[in-house]
Amino acid sequence: GAVVSQHPSRVICKSGTSVKIECRSLDFQATTMFWYRQFPKQSLMLMATSNEGSKATYEQGVEKDKFLINHASLTLSTLTVTSAHPEDSSFYICSARGIAYEQYFGPGTRLTVT
Amino acid sequence: QKEVEQDPGPLSVPEGAIVSLNCTYSNSAFQYFMWYRQYSRKGPELLMYTYSSGNKEDGRFTAQVDKSSKYISLFIRDSQPSDSATYLCAPAESSASKIIFGSGTRLSIRP
Repeated sequence: GAVVSQHPSRVICKSGTSVKIECRSLDFQATTMFWYRQFPKQSLMLMATSNEGSKATYEQGVEKDKFLINHASLTLSTLTVTSAHPEDSSFYICSARGIAYEQYFGPGTRLTVT
Repeated sequence: QKEVEQDPGPLSVPEGAIVSLNCTYSNSAFQYFMWYRQYSRKGPELLMYTYSSGNKEDGRFTAQVDKSSKYISLFIRDSQPSDSATYLCAPAESSASKIIFGSGTRLSIRP
């Protein structure tokens, strides 16, 4: 089946620093990738939709200058959390969609901002 | 009103029981209906998907969609402790549109 990886799986950073999370589709090309955030015991909240070679589309209430998304190739999308604050601590999950409509999810990245 | 409503549980049943997980939705434009399973601290994995109304069976799992009542169900037969996870219903309007996730139901299967 389709495999999506994320790196790192866990990261701790200090308040005010930036963190980059990578999302890769390992065995298929993904024209569209999605970034979600999930707080404990809550569902996935879509942050943005990323299309290869174009600007990401952000959901209402998500600051695009704070959450920078780059989708430079058909197998890689990155999310950079800029000037991170403790309230940005969360579980960040990416997903990738190939030619069919199913989304395949990565294992998630747990971000802790101290 | 949320687009997708799902009882958060937790739901605890003994091993071997039949489990019924349900969602309701408000958007009549939803055509694709998916169920994802998420283990603790992991990404969701696609369990099943159906298009429009009807039933779909895959092993111990059966997905059911009733568009007239906007009701989605997932049945698990012969439940196993390894089925303990959070189950997310996730409809979408089309194959190209974003998926709307329910809040998830936490399921625990007691040995």
